[in-house]
Amino acid sequence: DAGVTQSPTHLIKTRGQQVTLRCSPKSGHDTVSWYQQALGQGPQFIFQYYEEEERQRGNFPDRFSGHQFPNYSSELNVNALLLGDSALYLCASSWIGTANEKLFFGSGTQLSVL
Amino acid sequence: DAKTTQPPSMDCAEGRAANLPCNHSTISGNEYVYWYRQIHSQGPQYIIHGLKNNETNEMASLIITEDRKSSTLILPHATLRDTAVYYCIVRVVDDYKLSFGAGTTVTVRA
Repeated sequence: DAGVTQSPTHLIKTRGQQVTLRCSPKSGHDTVSWYQQALGQGPQFIFQYYEEEERQRGNFPDRFSGHQFPNYSSELNVNALLLGDSALYLCASSWIGTANEKLFFGSGTQLSVL
Repeated sequence: DAKTTQPPSMDCAEGRAANLPCNHSTISGNEYVYWYRQIHSQGPQYIIHGLKNNETNEMASLIITEDRKSSTLILPHATLRDTAVYYCIVRVVDDYKLSFGAGTTVTVRA
């Protein structure tokens, strides 16, 4: 049983560019959350998707957007990249049937903005 | 705006119990205490959670004080593979996000 998978593992972009990160949830999970983790800090919640809709959003600008597909996989899009967007982006999945008690995280995508 | 306070770092000896403290003095009645850990180069891993009773699973034990203002995560027999950043988080059951603080960096030494 594959866990949460994220792609790509590493990415280098230039300021002003756009980026798309992808996540496949753990089998049986229907909810996907995205987190941003800057170096030396704890992860910060970006948003959560369930039934293809954004259900809750953290304190992130509109440059950060997402999508969930019918197969529960998800994408995180970041427009107009800034140097400060350099971070590890983590995807986590859970099952609504257990009230999202446990989140299972992927290993993340390391984004570097130059 | 983490609602928990943890020591920034601690060491423990391999094979001994590791006791990780967490203060959450403003915890509400409907907030659970969660523990996650993050091993280097990996995503966070769920360890355990509880409301007011002590909890135990295959990974750890969670002891919550009677007034619920603090808790302790116990790793019964620490191994080198338990070296990680441990996060204590309080979360309302119907809140979809986890609010991570800085955590405690635990180093298990041989």
